[in-house]
Amino acid sequence: GQQLNQSPQSMFIQEGEDVSMNCTSSSIFNTWLWYKQDPGEGPVLLIALYKAGELTSNGRLTAQFGITRKDSFLNISASIPSDVGIYFCAGTDSWGKLQFGAGTQVVVTP
Amino acid sequence: GAVVSQHPSWVICKSGTSVKIECRSLDFQATTMFWYRQFPKQSLMLMATSNEGSKATYEQGVEKDKFLINHASLTLSTLTVTSAHPEDSSFYICSAREFRVGSKNIQYFGAGTRLSVL
Repeated sequence: GQQLNQSPQSMFIQEGEDVSMNCTSSSIFNTWLWYKQDPGEGPVLLIALYKAGELTSNGRLTAQFGITRKDSFLNISASIPSDVGIYFCAGTDSWGKLQFGAGTQVVVTP
Repeated sequence: GAVVSQHPSWVICKSGTSVKIECRSLDFQATTMFWYRQFPKQSLMLMATSNEGSKATYEQGVEKDKFLINHASLTLSTLTVTSAHPEDSSFYICSAREFRVGSKNIQYFGAGTRLSVL
């Protein structure tokens, strides 16, 4: 079963606000990835993290690989309507498999 | 770069028929492809791992005779849902991992296939 605990489950925010979500794991991951999925589409990679403590930005997105290698967060600054979607964290375990979090539904209102 | 094409995007079939879904890596070679299933409002569930030229590895609880996987080349894997029934209706998504020394072991996903079995 899933080892990742992703929170929050959903967020309703106003345009311009910042968004923050995180994932924790019961075990160590070698890689942390953040994907976004739009309805009826496959996940699209947003940010990939490879080293403990790594902080990486991609435009308005910022993500960090936790020092303990058991957690990661994703921040979205100054949200816009097209940020709507489901965000998934994923970690690569020691067998090379990708474990997914349950997802965070983001809704942005004008 | 790193584009994965999945076809068809949507299929409706009668109960008892078989459906084939294709997954292609368009601009890179993928020794390993993955097949996931996703139920509404849920996360992705790994069904099987497909390695080029060898038999797929199925996750616990996934029937290998029901979900046939073929990975005949470094750019193509297929999933065939045999004798489909309404409970097989779901969103199926493939992903591909690039084969290259120094590659980052990232999975890139197709756009998914919505299967509806009547």
